[in-house]
Amino acid sequence: DAGVIQSPRHEVTEMGQEVTLRCKPISGHNSLFWYRQTMMRGLELLIYFNNNVPIDDSGMPEDRFSAKMPNASFSTLKIQPSEPRDSAVYFCASSFGSPQAGNTIYFGEGSWLTVV
Amino acid sequence: SQELEQSPQSLIVQEGKNLTINCTSSKTLYGLYWYKQKYGEGLIFLMMLQKGGEEKSHEKITAKLDEKKQQSSLHITASQPSHAGIYLCGAPRGANAGGTSYGKLTFGQGTILTVHP
Repeated sequence: DAGVIQSPRHEVTEMGQEVTLRCKPISGHNSLFWYRQTMMRGLELLIYFNNNVPIDDSGMPEDRFSAKMPNASFSTLKIQPSEPRDSAVYFCASSFGSPQAGNTIYFGEGSWLTVV
Repeated sequence: SQELEQSPQSLIVQEGKNLTINCTSSKTLYGLYWYKQKYGEGLIFLMMLQKGGEEKSHEKITAKLDEKKQQSSLHITASQPSHAGIYLCGAPRGANAGGTSYGKLTFGQGTILTVHP
């Protein structure tokens, strides 16, 4: 069974450009999470969806970041305009049900973003 | 400050040695997840604990959650180079919307494990 699929795996872009990261969750999962990982701040939750509806976007850094989930099998995280401080690994993860109920969250391989 | 504190931040051991990684919460845990991450890869789920005093094992890795549900430990017996990586603990944090409890995981800062052959 396919896991969480993210694209692109690596992206290098110039400051000011738009970046779009894509995620396909595990089939049948109803929760989707976007995390960002940096050396300084560790693994931070940006936003999560339940049944395609954003539940908590308090971790989204600023208006330059936006996330959508148009259907149960696809989500995007967009950064416009990008800045060097956005350089990080962005992970998408999915689960069936809540981790509070003991359901496991499965992570994708991550998208490595470098903004120069 | 971090809700979850991991210690140590990094650990270097010789192959064959036992080791322990700790994860402490400032709040009562509704569960505790352990993940392993290799450089350049995603997080791999190891195990999950929910009940106070619970202990689970998988191969040479054992995780425990204390009775008060505020601290967990991950113990590796007879470490191997394949155990090297970053170990992260994560705890569910909930939000209620319309009476339904949702959830997210917040993570500790990670413990970097190096195992020398």
